[in-house]
Amino acid sequence: QSALTQPPSASGSPGQSVTISCTGTSSDVGGSIFVSWYQQHPGKAPKVMIYEVNKRPSGVPDRFSGSKSGNVASLTVSGLQAADEADYYCCSYAGNNYWVFGGGTKLTVL
Amino acid sequence: QVQLVESGGGVVQPGRSLGLSCAASGFTFDTYGIHWVRQTPDKGLEWAAGVSHDGDKKYYGDSVKGRFAISRDNSRNTVHLQMNSLRVEDTAVYYCVRGPLSNVWYSQFDPWGQGTLVTVSS
Repeated sequence: QSALTQPPSASGSPGQSVTISCTGTSSDVGGSIFVSWYQQHPGKAPKVMIYEVNKRPSGVPDRFSGSKSGNVASLTVSGLQAADEADYYCCSYAGNNYWVFGGGTKLTVL
Repeated sequence: QVQLVESGGGVVQPGRSLGLSCAASGFTFDTYGIHWVRQTPDKGLEWAAGVSHDGDKKYYGDSVKGRFAISRDNSRNTVHLQMNSLRVEDTAVYYCVRGPLSNVWYSQFDPWGQGTLVTVSS
C-alpha cells in the first residue's frame, strides 16, 4: 500500500482561498467515501477537519471544505487566517481494513 | 471530555521489545475502535494498527505486520501495543486514536492522544 500524494507546500495571503490536493488510486481515494483531512500545528496532535470526503465535525469553521473527483481529493480553505497555518494530512480507507495517509502539506499564510 | 493518554515510550536498542499503553476516558470505550498511528519527520503519518471495539479483530500496516501486536482491555479502558523486533525505522511519535472498527458508524480518526516518542537506536 503506497502513501497518498500531497504537494509538500501551499500558501496564500490572508482572506484568499487555497486548495490542497491528495492523489491516490482507485483502490483508496477513488473507491472510498472514507476520505478525511487532519490539521496539525507544531508540537500538537492532529485534529480532524473533514471526514467522509466533505463532512465537517462540529466546531470546524465552514471555511474548510472537502471534495473528491476520481482518484483526487481536495481540501479548500477559504478566507485564510493566520491560525490556519499548519500541516495538513489526507487519509483514505484502502479496503481490507487498511488505512493510508498522505505525506502532508505545509500551509503557509503569507 | 474525550481523552486518550499514551505512555511507555522511550529509547530502545534495535531488535528489542517495547510496550505502549493508551488509557481512554470520557466516552463509552467498548463502542469504538482504537488505532495506533505513528509519525516520523520524513514520512509523515502512517497507520500502524487497529483493534475493533470488542477486541476480536486486529489489523496491521504492512511495515509492522508480524512484529507488533495490538490488544485492548475493555474492563480497564486501555489499549496496548506490543512492539517486538524493533528497527531503527520504527523511530516515531506513536499516537493512540479513536476511530473505525466501531459498532457505530464512525469513520474518522478523532480524537488523538498527545503521542509518545519511541526511539530505536544502538
